[in-house]
Amino acid sequence: DAMVIQNPRYQVTQFGKPVTLSCSQTLNHNVMYWYQQKSSQAPKLLFHYYDKDFNNEADTPDNFQSRRPNTSFCFLDIRSPGLGDAAMYLCATSRDHPATRGTDTQYFGPGTRLTVL
Amino acid sequence: GDSVTQMEGPVTLSEEAFLTINCTYTATGYPSLFWYVQYPGEGLQLLLKATKADDKGSNKGFEATYRKETTSFHLEKGSVQVSDSAVYFCALSAYNFNKFYFGSGTKLNVKP
Repeated sequence: DAMVIQNPRYQVTQFGKPVTLSCSQTLNHNVMYWYQQKSSQAPKLLFHYYDKDFNNEADTPDNFQSRRPNTSFCFLDIRSPGLGDAAMYLCATSRDHPATRGTDTQYFGPGTRLTVL
Repeated sequence: GDSVTQMEGPVTLSEEAFLTINCTYTATGYPSLFWYVQYPGEGLQLLLKATKADDKGSNKGFEATYRKETTSFHLEKGSVQVSDSAVYFCALSAYNFNKFYFGSGTKLNVKP
């Protein structure tokens, strides 16, 4: 089945120690998104890639970076995790940009739960 | 700006009860509308969607109709099951600004 895969499902890191979360997709979608979701809240968009074009949300801290080496993979790098960065991180894909009706459905991976000690 | 407003939860129902979760939206233009479901510890799963006014999305007994006149996309199910216990998110895809907006989520608890 075509899908969105996130690894690892659970990640524990230490305060200030860089961490990388991974997302891969077999849907061959052009757009990949990273969301942060804290307990009992809606997902918050951090950034997205449309193909190789990176689009950062205005309020995403500089501590969060992303890489998309190819269509299938996208990484979220947290350079110096703080206690406030503990959250579920969700990767999603869509075939095309939200501006394109009918192909804007987002498909989510299972998430990576990040704990910062 | 564009936004989605959902009824606050938690919503607690007995098995086989009728479910309605209200969702209203504000958008410039004609967005697509979605309902996603999130089970504990999992990512979001697409439940249903509608891309234009008067469209009805349906899946697994859930339905929602895109009402442009009332800017609403309420989720309904005739008979809920314990396995429907989850958090439900209403969302819209806004064409004008290439954004996807989520509501705050409504937690549903179904008791046997």
